[in-house]
Amino acid sequence: AQKITQTQPGMFVQEKEAVTLDCTYDTSDPSYGLFWYKQPSSGEMIFLIYQGSYDQQNATEGRYSLNFQKARKSANLVISASQLGDSAMYFCAMREGPAGNNRKLIWGLGTSLAVNP
Amino acid sequence: DVKVTQSSRYLVKRTGEKVFLECVQDMDHENMFWYRQDPGLGLRLIYFSYDVKMKEKGDIPEGYSVSREKKERFSLILESASTNQTSMYLCASSPYGGGASGTEAFFGQGTRLTVV
Repeated sequence: AQKITQTQPGMFVQEKEAVTLDCTYDTSDPSYGLFWYKQPSSGEMIFLIYQGSYDQQNATEGRYSLNFQKARKSANLVISASQLGDSAMYFCAMREGPAGNNRKLIWGLGTSLAVNP
Repeated sequence: DVKVTQSSRYLVKRTGEKVFLECVQDMDHENMFWYRQDPGLGLRLIYFSYDVKMKEKGDIPEGYSVSREKKERFSLILESASTNQTSMYLCASSPYGGGASGTEAFFGQGTRLTVV
């Protein structure tokens, strides 16, 4: 079974509008972390935002926010005021277990976002 | 600015060749990772290393080996390249303990390897 599911292979959004990229996860570990990365066409994976399972507040980083709904096991990325440069692949990933060394990430298959002018 | 540098952006090799993919990071990170990325399969972990001379198998280690003789350098080796190893290879590093967020990883620009 998929541990990280991104149900939207592709999304379109108009410039300056907000967009939500979906991510659901599956783990029985009470301690975990959720990540979002952006991969532009240049290929480099760029870390965007992190949410720990015990964090009380939803994470925000500039125009990025994470809509964390623990009971639903969802960690959707919200991008506000979309820009043309936001066009990229977006990946959701999870770390199972508490933060520490020797930890690896479990990755979703990604969502391709296209921002229209 | 943090940097993870992969030696080549594009590489074309012949079947049966021994191939070295090099990755260097300048952040003094303990952890380094090699992934391959294929359409429809996402990122899959090949090997990772959490210290010099230490290595652990990821999800798909078959056909690959790694070397970490120095902290800043992590090499991926294809002992005898095959066409099914044609892929995008991504190197990443993270600090001890995974950084402030637990496993914040910094990635290189990727190497697109074609085996013919």
